[in-house]
Amino acid sequence: NAGVMQNPRHLVRRRGQEARLRCSPMKGHSHVYWYRQLPEEGLKFMVYLQKENIIDESGMPKERFSAEFPKEGPSILRIQQVVRGDSAAYFCASSSDGLGNQPQHFGDGTRLSIL
Amino acid sequence: LAKTTQPISMDSYEGQEVNITCSHNNIATNDYITWYQQFPSQGPRFIIQGYKTKVTNEVASLFIPADRKSSTLSLPRVSLSDTAVYYCLVVGGNFNKFYFGSGTKLNVKP
Repeated sequence: NAGVMQNPRHLVRRRGQEARLRCSPMKGHSHVYWYRQLPEEGLKFMVYLQKENIIDESGMPKERFSAEFPKEGPSILRIQQVVRGDSAAYFCASSSDGLGNQPQHFGDGTRLSIL
Repeated sequence: LAKTTQPISMDSYEGQEVNITCSHNNIATNDYITWYQQFPSQGPRFIIQGYKTKVTNEVASLFIPADRKSSTLSLPRVSLSDTAVYYCLVVGGNFNKFYFGSGTKLNVKP
């Protein structure tokens, strides 16, 4: 079974451009989570989505950041007008349901670099 | 959110047993204790999860005392490939926002 797939693995953008990060969850999983990780730090929760719905976006900046998980296709994390501080690794995880006692399965991330 | 405290780093040698202890004094009744492993440039990988007493799988054991205010991840006979960062998380039954602390950087030496 394919795991969580993220693409691209590396993304370079100039300040002011838009970044789109894609995540395909594991087969059968309808719950998707996005995290951000800075070097030498743990992952920080950003947003939790369940097919077509945002359940919890408390960790996502209110400006420039948005996320979606359409009925068909991958989940998208979109960052508009990127700034240097957006440089980080962005990880997507999926689970079979939204309960905290269900393991989340992670992709290998997208490393975003802002020039 | 029940925060966790774990050592920043640990050193070990190949073939030894490694025990990483995590403190979670504010754990709630519905919370589970979950451990993840992360290698550089990869996403975290689920290792083990438990609620109380002892849980064992093919890669690790998890020991949880009766008060559940701490837990210990035990890795038997580590190898060089076990060098990684290990995260202890406390997750609630209805709570899906995983909180990753800074983790424990385990360095296994030959």
